[in-house]
Amino acid sequence: SQQGEEDPQALSIQEGENATMNCSYKTSINNLQWYRQNSGRGLVHLILIRSNEREKHSGRLRVTLDTSKKSSSLLITASRAADTASYFCATGKAAGNKLTFGGGTRVLVKP
Amino acid sequence: DTEVTQTPKHLVMGMTNKKSLKCEQHMGHRAMYWYKQKAKKPPELMFVYSYEKLSINESVPSRFSPECPNSSLLNLHLHALQPEDSALYLCASSQMVVSTQETQYFGPGTRLLVL
Repeated sequence: SQQGEEDPQALSIQEGENATMNCSYKTSINNLQWYRQNSGRGLVHLILIRSNEREKHSGRLRVTLDTSKKSSSLLITASRAADTASYFCATGKAAGNKLTFGGGTRVLVKP
Repeated sequence: DTEVTQTPKHLVMGMTNKKSLKCEQHMGHRAMYWYKQKAKKPPELMFVYSYEKLSINESVPSRFSPECPNSSLLNLHLHALQPEDSALYLCASSQMVVSTQETQYFGPGTRLLVL
């Protein structure tokens, strides 16, 4: 079963605009991670936020975590055509570093 | 070297064939993973190896048989697959399984088509 659900499922924006996607999850977590996947290829880790953190930045990425609402958001600022990809949130729990991925958001950045 | 490699990139096999997928990493990671990903769906965990021992099997059918010959290699042996097993198979690794604060590094995947 999917732990995380992502919203929206798809997003189309112009280059230079910001892209925001949300992830909701159901049970308690140790951390939440965001990954990017270019079409039909492997996943690339973007950022990890621990359950005791509320916000984290990495370059043009900003991630927030609200454990009371069991939700996280990923903001990509000043988007570029190269940001076109699918973005997945993934939640980690205590046993065996098992990651459970959300359904993903497909982002299209138009030049 | 922060790369996970997978071979082959593409594989077409019949339902009676036996084939193997290979994964390799030289980052000294002691946890390795197999995921299955269908089109427009998220990756689904199949197996986890920790220190070369199988630690998680997500109720995967026995026609998929994982093997971890050493800490750098992970194989997935395929036998008598069904067309619905066609998918992208992703391998990943991480430093160790004890801590949950682990980034997983993914390979590019093997795209499998079962005819």
